[in-house]
Amino acid sequence: SQTIHQWPATLVQPVGSPLSLECTVEGTSNPNLYWYRQAAGRGLQLLFYSVGIGQISSEVPQNLSASRPQDRQFILSSKKLLLSDSGFYLCAWSTGGPVLGYTFGSGTRLTVV
Amino acid sequence: QKEVEQNSGPLSVPEGAIASLNCTYSDRVSQSFFWYRQYSGKSPELIMSIYSNGDKEDGRFTAQLNKASQYVSLLIRDSQPSDSATYLCAVDMNRDDKIIFGKGTRLHILP
Repeated sequence: SQTIHQWPATLVQPVGSPLSLECTVEGTSNPNLYWYRQAAGRGLQLLFYSVGIGQISSEVPQNLSASRPQDRQFILSSKKLLLSDSGFYLCAWSTGGPVLGYTFGSGTRLTVV
Repeated sequence: QKEVEQNSGPLSVPEGAIASLNCTYSDRVSQSFFWYRQYSGKSPELIMSIYSNGDKEDGRFTAQLNKASQYVSLLIRDSQPSDSATYLCAVDMNRDDKIIFGKGTRLHILP
């Protein structure tokens, strides 16, 4: 069966520090991968999505970036965190595009202080 | 017009009653529709998907789709306190490779 792993579960980082969040999927090949952010009291905001290795589409221009170095690995990064980067970061995957819906990882709660 | 709209709630429903959650979407060519449940502090969980007009039932859950009215709903029968959560409506807008989510409706089941 397919599983998605996301870590860490919680993170407290100072303003201006770097960020690296990792997401890996098991049990499937060539998944579509997505990074979402959910700020307090707000909806899910799509940040990046990828349909293959090295293919990244950015939805929201900001100080975040994403990379997909391997088929089942998706990384979200920042060189310098802002207070506004605080939120609940969710990785999701799908096979064959959005038709069957997404499966989400357990999420990382990031607090920038 | 927002692409996927939901009433933010909270919607309070007595235990054992039917909870009705509604969602409208803007793009007429949308093909796939989803309901996710999100408990506080947890990630969203897919509970229903629907692709054609009409009703789709799964246990206590029924999804209803009306493409002409661009409307999708979720009914929860015999509501339980464990159903208290935020319910997210999501729509495949049939462009690019992404789903658009509504902001969710908070449901509170009163014991």
